[in-house]
Amino acid sequence: NAGVMQNPRHLVRRRGQEARLRCSPMKGHSHVYWYRQLPEEGLKFMVYLQKENIIDESGMPKERFSAEFPKEGPSILRIQQVVRGDSAAYFCASSPSGLEAFFGQGTRLTVV
Amino acid sequence: SQQGEEDPQALSIQEGENATMNCSYKTSINNLQWYRQNSGRGLVHLILIRSNEREKHSGRLRVTLDTSKKSSSLLITASRAADTASYFCATDTASGTYKYIFGTGTRLKVLA
Repeated sequence: NAGVMQNPRHLVRRRGQEARLRCSPMKGHSHVYWYRQLPEEGLKFMVYLQKENIIDESGMPKERFSAEFPKEGPSILRIQQVVRGDSAAYFCASSPSGLEAFFGQGTRLTVV
Repeated sequence: SQQGEEDPQALSIQEGENATMNCSYKTSINNLQWYRQNSGRGLVHLILIRSNEREKHSGRLRVTLDTSKKSSSLLITASRAADTASYFCATDTASGTYKYIFGTGTRLKVLA
């Protein structure tokens, strides 16, 4: 059973471009979480999704950020019109039950 | 404000010594988890302790939970250079949404 797969591992975008981060949860896991980690800081909760539903998006910036977890395919975190402050590591986690969460290796986004 | 805050922020010890890290949180929880993150990598789940448990062991790891003080500690015994990493506690919010709030972490350095 492969772990949580995130791609790409590294993503460079120019200011104003769009960034799409993908997360394939572990097999059988229907709960997905996205977190953001700034350098030298802990992880900050962004959004919690179950298949086709956003359960809690209280950590998502109100503009430019969106997330989905379709019935088929990976979960996508989308950042429109990126700015330098969006540069961070974005981690996805999945869970079979909403308790113990398994994390991916993260996508490191650099906005130049 | 932070739900979980680790103390100390940084810890440097000699190989073979024990390392103790503490985590304090603010609101009631269902469970608390400890994670390890090696530099530039993803998170590795270490231990989950539920609110009705006081102590758990896993190999060289010992976690305690004091819900009256809203605090937890992670003890690593007989530390090794490979234990060098950042350690984070993560708490849910007992609100049923199962989102986890991470502290800022303790950066542990084990000197060979």
